[in-house]
Amino acid sequence: GENVEQHPSTLSVQEGDSAVIKCTYSDSASNYFPWYKQELGKRPQLIIDIRSNVGEKKDQRIAVTLNKTAKHFSLHITETQPEDSAVYFCAASKTGANNLFFGTGTRLTIIP
Amino acid sequence: EADIYQTPRYLVIGTGKKITLECSQTMGHDKMYWYQQDPGMELHLIHYSYGVNSTEKGDLSSESTVSRIRTEHFPLTLESARPSHTSQYLCASSEPLSRGYTFGSGTRLTVV
Repeated sequence: GENVEQHPSTLSVQEGDSAVIKCTYSDSASNYFPWYKQELGKRPQLIIDIRSNVGEKKDQRIAVTLNKTAKHFSLHITETQPEDSAVYFCAASKTGANNLFFGTGTRLTIIP
Repeated sequence: EADIYQTPRYLVIGTGKKITLECSQTMGHDKMYWYQQDPGMELHLIHYSYGVNSTEKGDLSSESTVSRIRTEHFPLTLESARPSHTSQYLCASSEPLSRGYTFGSGTRLTVV
């Protein structure tokens, strides 16, 4: 089955700086890669996703890049703000799969 | 509003009690999931369902059981709660999987 690894497990960034979270996956057939943000005491929410037919996707201050050859994808947050503090999960799945395979999460703390 | 709802939000019960955690969604999704989330962060899949009368065990061994008699309802039952069951339980649904999951707000269970 698919195995998704996520690094780092914790990340502290000065407000205004950029943050990068990286994930690798094992199944070369995986073709859908969502990212979830979970604020303290709240539910995980989808913030951005990418499919294997594109290499990069942006939405305001967040972007995701995908390298299919190396089987890794990354979340980039620019101009970080205190409200970016949360736990972030990457995930992967493929056509016909029954569920998403999640990474172990990254706790991002933005230092004012 | 179409969403996924979990009750109760918080629950404190004694060892040996039987409990049912409720999960309902109004989006007409076929796929539904239960995850156990460690205090640290990691999401562990414990049960999932493709549709009515379909249930499967997930990656994490669990002493809980689930049922799917109606599309919108996916309750999780613990026949005899133990302190090791103390955790947060998140319900999710999707349709199709390539649009990711919608998570419920979770039930935080404490067994004393």
